[in-house]
Formats: sequence, structure tokens, C-alpha cells
Amino acid sequence: QSVLTQPPSASGTPGQRVTISCSGSTSNIGSNTVNWYQQLPGTAPKLLIYSNNRRPSGVPDRFSGSKSGTSASLAISGLQSEDETDYYCAAWDDSLNGVIFGGGTKLTVL
Amino acid sequence: QVQLVQSGAEVKKPGSSVKVSCKASGDIFSNYGVNWVRQAPGQGLEWMGGIVPMFGTANYAQKFQGRVTITADESTSTAYMGLSTLRSEDTAVYYCAIGRITPTGDAFDMWGQGTMVTVSS
Repeated sequence: QSVLTQPPSASGTPGQRVTISCSGSTSNIGSNTVNWYQQLPGTAPKLLIYSNNRRPSGVPDRFSGSKSGTSASLAISGLQSEDETDYYCAAWDDSLNGVIFGGGTKLTVL
Repeated sequence: QVQLVQSGAEVKKPGSSVKVSCKASGDIFSNYGVNWVRQAPGQGLEWMGGIVPMFGTANYAQKFQGRVTITADESTSTAYMGLSTLRSEDTAVYYCAIGRITPTGDAFDMWGQGTMVTVSS
């Protein structure tokens, strides 16, 4: 069981806006920044959002992140078929003294 | 083009050890920490530990303490992850990853291609 809790699945239709939640505690999300990764099948994860809400160069502005207290969210607007894949949140945990990941959310574009 | 290139797939017997390498092109080893993340088949991502080569000391996830050893050779820009006393549950893809984009280095913006380690009798 992951320290960060994500819904196992999410779905939306093309053009829709969807959000994926990530719930943690004071020792991780409550104290540190949150990063989000996108992982296409058979490939290495790709950094999608860092420092809660910043996008690396090349990531479309359809992707956005937010954090409040001990929870964070990834929002994807203008949903596209190529967004159908797995998403993971991650953060440093002060108690565990290491990086922790959420269990992952599989996004389906209907 | 800076990239991380990992060693090839391994098949190991239960109880044995494995050592995976991660070679960096460019000068990134001088400035950034190298982390190892694994992913069992059909499962999520799991951070194993990391090392900052210029300091030489590694930090390990509690789950792997005593079984994992992460080292780095600055002269060859290569990091290594060794895992001992292998069991079937260690069957996974092992990734090296570097975080260059934040001061804390925990946002991994560069990843190796992954190394499949299969533990089977």
C-alpha cells in the first residue's frame, strides 16, 4: 500500500477536463513539493509537473498541478486520446527520508 | 545530447545478487544525484535510493536497507545499483533517474531506458 493515495482509475471524454488526486500526510505533501509523472506503456516515466505546479519545457499547458495542505491534484484539460496512460504523484517524505510515489492512476479516454 | 544508458537485462537465481549500471553522457554526474526506481510487472513505481557522486554517500529506502548498495564512479560517469539476496518479488524493471530541475533533486527529469531483472529458479 502506497504512502501517497491515488485513485486507481479515472476517465473522461475527449475535450473534457479531468483531475487526479493524490492524498498524503504532513510528513510528505504537507511539508514538501509534489511532482507528477506520466508513463506510457513500456517506457520510462516522464516528468509532467514539478514543484506542485510547474511544467518542464515541452509539457503542454493542458497539464496543471496544484497542492493544498496534504493533498495535491493533477488536472488535464482538453483531454486527448494520447493522454490515456498511467500517472503517478511523488514527494519527499521527511519521516521515511526518501522519495515516495503514489500507487498510480490509469486514465482512460472514453 | 545528455542521456542515461543502462546495462542489459539480467536473469538471476533466488538468493543471488545483481548489479545494474547507469552511464551518463555529458557532465551531469558532477552536479546531480543519481536515483534508482523500480517497477514490478503491472505495479507502480518504487524509489530504492540515491547517491550524489561528488559526496559519495548513498541514501536508501528503509525497505531495501541492508540489501541494496548504490555507488558511483565519477571517472566513468557511471552509477551502479547492487541488490543482494534476490527473491522472486524483486523481478522488476530497474530505472536510474536524475533530478536536475529543482535544488532538492527529487523531481526526476531524466531517466534511463530501464533494465529488466528477472529472478527465477
